[in-house]
Amino acid sequence: GQNIDQPTEMTATEGAIVQINCTYQTSGFNGLFWYQQHAGEAPTFLSYNVLDGLEEKGRFSSFLSRSKGYSYLLLKELQMKDSASYLCAVRDKAAGNKLTFGGGTRVLVKP
Amino acid sequence: NAGVMQNPRHLVRRRGQEARLRCSPMKGHSHVYWYRQLPEEGLKFMVYLQKENIIDESGMPKERFSAEFPKEGPSILRIQQVVRGDSAAYFCASSPGFVTTTYNEQFFGPGTRLTVL
Repeated sequence: GQNIDQPTEMTATEGAIVQINCTYQTSGFNGLFWYQQHAGEAPTFLSYNVLDGLEEKGRFSSFLSRSKGYSYLLLKELQMKDSASYLCAVRDKAAGNKLTFGGGTRVLVKP
Repeated sequence: NAGVMQNPRHLVRRRGQEARLRCSPMKGHSHVYWYRQLPEEGLKFMVYLQKENIIDESGMPKERFSAEFPKEGPSILRIQQVVRGDSAAYFCASSPGFVTTTYNEQFFGPGTRLTVL
C-alpha cells in the first residue's frame, strides 16, 4: 500500500514563502499531484510531477525526488487567499492508477 | 463546459434511512472516482468506476455501500441504513482516462455533505 505524510498545519506571514513537504512510499509510482482545498469547497488541481525536478507555475512550484520519495510545494509571495489546505496525492500503477491522498496541510496566512 | 456536478449539495438523513448521492462527470470524461472526507482529514478513496464497470472498490465498506455508473445518467453512490459515522463530505471526481498525453488529473465536484441525525 501507500503511506503519504505531510505536516498537519503551517502558519506564515503575508508576502512570505512557505514550503510544504510530502513524503511517500509506493511500489509503482506514476505521478504526484498537489491540490488546494479551501474550507467547505472542492479540491482544485495545482501541479503534477512525474519526473525529478522542479515545476514552476507562477507563485507556486512543486519539486519531486523519486529516489527519496519526497516532494514539496513552494508557495511564494503569500496572499491571504492562499489560506487553505494543500493535499499531496500519489498515483500508483500497482493500485490501478488511483490517487492516494495525504491528510492535507492546513496553511494559515497572517497579515 | 460545465465541471463535475454533484447533487444534492447537502443531505440530511435519520439513522436507518438510505442516502443516494449523484455525480455527473465532466463532458468527455469516462472515469469516475468517489472519495469520503471526514472533518479535518484528507480524502479517502472509496471506488473507481468506468461506464457500467466497477474498476476498483477496495476503499468502499463491504456492507451498506454500493456504487454504479450506468451507460446513461449520473454515477450513484448509495448508502443503505445510514449510521452517524457515515456523516462526512462525499466528493466525486472525474478524469478523461488517458494517461499518456495528459496528466490525467482528476477534477473534483463540489461534494455532498451528508449529515446523519
